[in-house]
Amino acid sequence: SAVISQKPSRDICQRGTSLTIQCQVDSQVTMMFWYRQQPGQSLTLIATANQGSEATYESGFVIDKFPISRPNLTFSTLTVSNMSPEDSSIYLCSALMGQGKGEAFFGQGTRLTVV
Amino acid sequence: AQKITQTQPGMFVQEKEAVTLDCTYDTSDPSYGLFWYKQPSSGEMIFLIYQGSYDQQNATEGRYSLNFQKARKSANLVISASQLGDSAMYFCAISEGYQKVTFGTGTKLQVIP
Repeated sequence: SAVISQKPSRDICQRGTSLTIQCQVDSQVTMMFWYRQQPGQSLTLIATANQGSEATYESGFVIDKFPISRPNLTFSTLTVSNMSPEDSSIYLCSALMGQGKGEAFFGQGTRLTVV
Repeated sequence: AQKITQTQPGMFVQEKEAVTLDCTYDTSDPSYGLFWYKQPSSGEMIFLIYQGSYDQQNATEGRYSLNFQKARKSANLVISASQLGDSAMYFCAISEGYQKVTFGTGTKLQVIP
């Protein structure tokens, strides 16, 4: 298994500002992902964080709004830019290990409130 | 089409009884993995059990077992001897080609004393 540390665990931010969320894995992983979970909803994939190259975004998510970095095999950041109250959600980092065969773990999540 | 369908938005079970949470999936990829996660009110995602598409045996992890019916594209989670601490949201998910993981809408399980 892997230990994934995500921070901050929660934050309250003013609209129009940006927040960067960090995700650190205690071992090298093949793939890292960022999800959003709006209140009472399931998890929606934002993007796949690719090591050394631009992230791959899912439909409805763009780099200008959610820039992602992954400088190495154990670390990634997600920035939520120019925030509005609609961005209030839980953001979760995930790591897929062992070629995805049975090892997909999550960080503790970041509970973001935009006021 | 939805990749993962969970048709039970909410379920109740008596403490110490078994409960089955339904999950069906849709994929044309022969290589895939199926996951179940538990999300308590604290919000963390807890990995419960995994089934690979080529696995011959149904996966089991303690009180959790996965009833994998490949032809029916079904991957139901069975929780035996329910405990009060099992009350949570449960998500079924699929990784097609062992890539990104896509989630269903979830089932809220409530265990009654």
